[in-house]
Amino acid sequence: QAVVTQEPSLTVSPGGTVTLTCGSSTGAVTSGHYPFWFQQKPGQGPRTLIYDTTNKHSRTPARFSGSLLGGKAALTLSGAQPEDEAEYYCLLSYSGARVFGGGTKLTVL
Amino acid sequence: EVQLVESGGGLVQPGGSLRLSCAASGFTISNYWMNWVRQAPGKGLEWVANIKQDGSEKHCVDSVKGRFTVSRDNAKNSLYLQMNSLRAEDTAVYYCEGGMSWGQGTLVTVSS
Repeated sequence: QAVVTQEPSLTVSPGGTVTLTCGSSTGAVTSGHYPFWFQQKPGQGPRTLIYDTTNKHSRTPARFSGSLLGGKAALTLSGAQPEDEAEYYCLLSYSGARVFGGGTKLTVL
Repeated sequence: EVQLVESGGGLVQPGGSLRLSCAASGFTISNYWMNWVRQAPGKGLEWVANIKQDGSEKHCVDSVKGRFTVSRDNAKNSLYLQMNSLRAEDTAVYYCEGGMSWGQGTLVTVSS
């Protein structure tokens, strides 16, 4: 099965902008991989932020956005808040089967 | 309120079986692919299996093929995961996910 890659860790300043990426071992990520993005805070379950590349869950803050960037799926956080410090996971679909990336630990500092 | 509630986790010996259930409320699972996702202690998320809206298509990760079976009962608005031949490496919190909602998870511990 495919391997999905994410940056292990990133740091962003409060109010700053950061982009997390999600690559695939099979080649460029496209809308056909239906990229999802999830946020997980310590001791909590995951919650869905983005589905199908760019669509936001009803409770996703406006500062989060999804896109395709340079052959990867991307999650951009514009105007980072302290409460955005968390682990972020992407998920790609491969003809029905799904694969998670290893997660990006985002620090807001 | 949209809610997914998992149950059926617990301590089981290697080689044993468990059946996880996920009961949905506040939305109708028949509109969605439903997924099982697990997270081993201190590790990342791992997708385990999913099932199409009408149950006609299923997929699972290679490590559970032949051991785990996903099923659903749309009339009961519920999702299931039958886990056989359990191994120590199956120890994890198991989450159900669908319609962009997640359950709180149920812990499965495989140990003698």
